[in-house]
Amino acid sequence: SQKIEQNSEALNIQEGKTATLTCNYTNYSPAYLQWYRQDPGRGPVFLLLIRENEKEKRKERLKVTFDTTLKQSLFHITASQPADSATYLCALDPNAGNMLTFGGGTRLMVKP
Amino acid sequence: NAGVMQNPRHLVRRRGQEARLRCSPMKGHSHVYWYRQLPEEGLKFMVYLQKENIIDESGMPKERFSAEFPKEGPSILRIQQVVRGDSAAYFCASSPGVAPDTQYFGPGTRLTVL
Repeated sequence: SQKIEQNSEALNIQEGKTATLTCNYTNYSPAYLQWYRQDPGRGPVFLLLIRENEKEKRKERLKVTFDTTLKQSLFHITASQPADSATYLCALDPNAGNMLTFGGGTRLMVKP
Repeated sequence: NAGVMQNPRHLVRRRGQEARLRCSPMKGHSHVYWYRQLPEEGLKFMVYLQKENIIDESGMPKERFSAEFPKEGPSILRIQQVVRGDSAAYFCASSPGVAPDTQYFGPGTRLTVL
């Protein structure tokens, strides 16, 4: 069966460190993968999109990698800040039909 | 440019009543999606619409749920005869329809069924 898995346990890190979140998928061959941020009581906010032919994508303190052989994407936040505390969701469009399938999300807590 | 707008933000209904959730997409976006997020669960796709057309409703429950996106006005997600299990956050997203099609989400409607 098709699955998108993110670490369901919260990730606690110290301010200033790099946070690394993992997204693994099985039985998909997505053309691209997306990362979103969701704060409590709010809708997801788009962060980054990476295509299958891109190994890495950066935006300010964010970096995403995409390994289609391992079927894994890594999401990094460098120099993390307490304001980065949120749930981070990975999503892919399995059939190129615009319907996103989301992972369960990983909650990040950055302590000052 | 205003983002995706949803109303109401909170909706309380008693079992058996109807719930109507509205979504206005971002300006220039012609594609609308509805997702449901149950407590402590992930986002699940429900339905994908373009103006006056349902493109994919594979995630919609077979009964009581319907969606529309008329030529004029917002998209509506309608739940008839609500049950307690319908209590959830319902999110609408919109996109311009150009691949790869990033979706922009609204703030959600939190439905509570008493």
